[in-house]
Amino acid sequence: GAGVSQSPRYKVAKRGQDVALRCDPISGHVSLFWYQQALGQGPEFLTYFQNEAQLDKSGLPSDRFFAERPEGSVSTLKIQRTQQEDSAVYLCASTSPIGGKTQYFGPGTRLLVL
Amino acid sequence: AQTVTQSQPEMSVQEAETVTLSCTYDTSESDYYLFWYKQPPSRQMILVIRQEAYKQQNATENRFSVNFQKAAKSFSLKISDSQLGDAAMYFCAYLKNTGNQFYFGTGTSLTVIP
Repeated sequence: GAGVSQSPRYKVAKRGQDVALRCDPISGHVSLFWYQQALGQGPEFLTYFQNEAQLDKSGLPSDRFFAERPEGSVSTLKIQRTQQEDSAVYLCASTSPIGGKTQYFGPGTRLLVL
Repeated sequence: AQTVTQSQPEMSVQEAETVTLSCTYDTSESDYYLFWYKQPPSRQMILVIRQEAYKQQNATENRFSVNFQKAAKSFSLKISDSQLGDAAMYFCAYLKNTGNQFYFGTGTSLTVIP
């Protein structure tokens, strides 16, 4: 596709529910990133993939957060047993394989946990 | 740890005027990248401009330019001839050359007054 896409754009979950957020990176981009953006804050790093390998998951806030990218393209961020503090916008980004330092962001998924 | 500080939560500018957004950062690295991203209310983060730390020349992109002061660890964004479409949140971001995760500031909300 032309850009990074994410779905759903909005998700309302009841506390304790599991959610899955999807990211489609730009075609050919091997590196993929997930960020969490709380209201009024800048994005904070969650995890990073190069192809299907998860090379850095140091930003995942708890073991309830899990990310995967099994075929090296689409990625899913899963949050188990959601809590109210998980409410945020979840941003996905990808970088070009050729000298890529610039990250191209998707529109985000706004998660609201009630 | 790297930190990025944007000390202006809100700024306003008259249409056609010039505005400067401030950003400082803390790092012990000598090789890194700095970025300014724009995030309109639709939430898609868009790259405005980037600067490689090894380049002494300040980056420019049309009406957008930066004042990069490496010794002072300062990276301000100047927007000339401001337009209504420039209204957005602006985030400063840092990337270590050998790293993958961006470190973002808390953002500056820019209002453009007609």
